[in-house]
Amino acid sequence: GQSLEQPSEVTAVEGAIVQINCTYQTSGFYGLSWYQQHDGGAPTFLSYNALDGLEETGRFSSFLSRSDSYGYLLLQELQMKDSASYFCAVRGGTGGFKTIFGAGTRLFVKA
Amino acid sequence: DTGVSQDPRHKITKRGQNVTFRCDPISEHNRLYWYRQTLGQGPEFLTYFQNEAQLEKSRLLSDRFSAERPKGSFSTLEIQRTEQGDSAMYLCASSLVAIRGRNQSNEQFFGPGTRLTVL
Repeated sequence: GQSLEQPSEVTAVEGAIVQINCTYQTSGFYGLSWYQQHDGGAPTFLSYNALDGLEETGRFSSFLSRSDSYGYLLLQELQMKDSASYFCAVRGGTGGFKTIFGAGTRLFVKA
Repeated sequence: DTGVSQDPRHKITKRGQNVTFRCDPISEHNRLYWYRQTLGQGPEFLTYFQNEAQLEKSRLLSDRFSAERPKGSFSTLEIQRTEQGDSAMYLCASSLVAIRGRNQSNEQFFGPGTRLTVL
């Protein structure tokens, strides 16, 4: 089967850096994605890692270690608008396009 | 607006009734996904299509759930004999990925969801 673990909540202050970790167990792993979801909104794509290493997109970076079945999302220069839920998701399954989401990490950014 | 749309946005039904939801993906997208999300949880995979073919269906999904994408464009999700445990947000997402796109992100664009309440 497939399962993902990530912390349920993280709190940080404006301007700080926060790291949200994700460990996964899956068969047929293709890659790890991150999505953001604000209350009442739909999930929106942030990043994807198919290979080991760091991917940077503006204030957000994502890291993957396939040998450790581990990844993280790094958010820099936190802003109040970053308060949201963040989901890691593995891409896998028989054809490689099934996507399984974690339960999410709720990020609270304080002033 | 060229994003993913879902209809209806809200549905209240009585236990035992059948309901059907519709999803219109972004027009050129070849993959379409259905998820269910409850409060405080991540989207739970239900099924996905590549064009009109349903490629995978969650083993957690009972036979009361069925989905179609008859012409490879819009999709419908039907729940028969609804139960109170079916109350959730039903999300649709679409993506455009090459058939052998192993390293492609499969970035999924989500619709606003249909909130189902079963009384």
